[in-house]
Amino acid sequence: EPEVTQTPSHQVTQMGQEVILRCVPISNHLYFYWYRQILGQKVEFLVSFYNNEISEKSEIFDDQFSVERPDGSNFTLKIRSTKLEDSAMYFCASSEWRDYGYTFGSGTRLTVV
Amino acid sequence: GESVGLHLPTLSVQEGDNSIINCAYSNSASDYFIWYKQESGKGPQFIIDIRSNMDKRQGQRVTVLLNKTVKHLSLQIAATQPGDSAVYFCAESLTGNQFYFGTGTSLTVIP
Repeated sequence: EPEVTQTPSHQVTQMGQEVILRCVPISNHLYFYWYRQILGQKVEFLVSFYNNEISEKSEIFDDQFSVERPDGSNFTLKIRSTKLEDSAMYFCASSEWRDYGYTFGSGTRLTVV
Repeated sequence: GESVGLHLPTLSVQEGDNSIINCAYSNSASDYFIWYKQESGKGPQFIIDIRSNMDKRQGQRVTVLLNKTVKHLSLQIAATQPGDSAVYFCAESLTGNQFYFGTGTSLTVIP
């Protein structure tokens, strides 16, 4: 069964550093998403991406965040200057259609120290 | 903004029994709902979805019921198995681009 692949599985970074979280969506999917889950809290929407541009973003997705599809297979989330409160599991997801169930990756655990 | 909440944070059932997990949503305009299962160390896994023009949808061993009058969603798992132990989330969407997740119910199946 096709999978969404995320790397790394765990990333530790110092506060103020930039991090890039990487995702390889399912190959025929056209819609891409990032969500995050702070430990013990809800899964929260960050951003959706379609046709090489952001289609929706949440209040969490401020100027410190950016997304990019640098080639035909990768989808990245960049946090420019990490804060302690950015520590969370970050999930990438993709879907073939806008309103059909996503497939999530296994997540990247980001720890900011 | 929208809020999605679950009635019970934990649920324990005997293997073979049926499980019912409940969810309340607040946005009456939401038109698409998904139940996800999340096992430890993994991402949310799609279980079943339902659109607002339906009130019931069945899958393999799972049934989702939608009551738009009281903004309530439930997931029924028949003949619960140990492999069903996980955290279950409901999620609602209006646009299809953005889903709002509940806090999750932890289901434990007792052998």
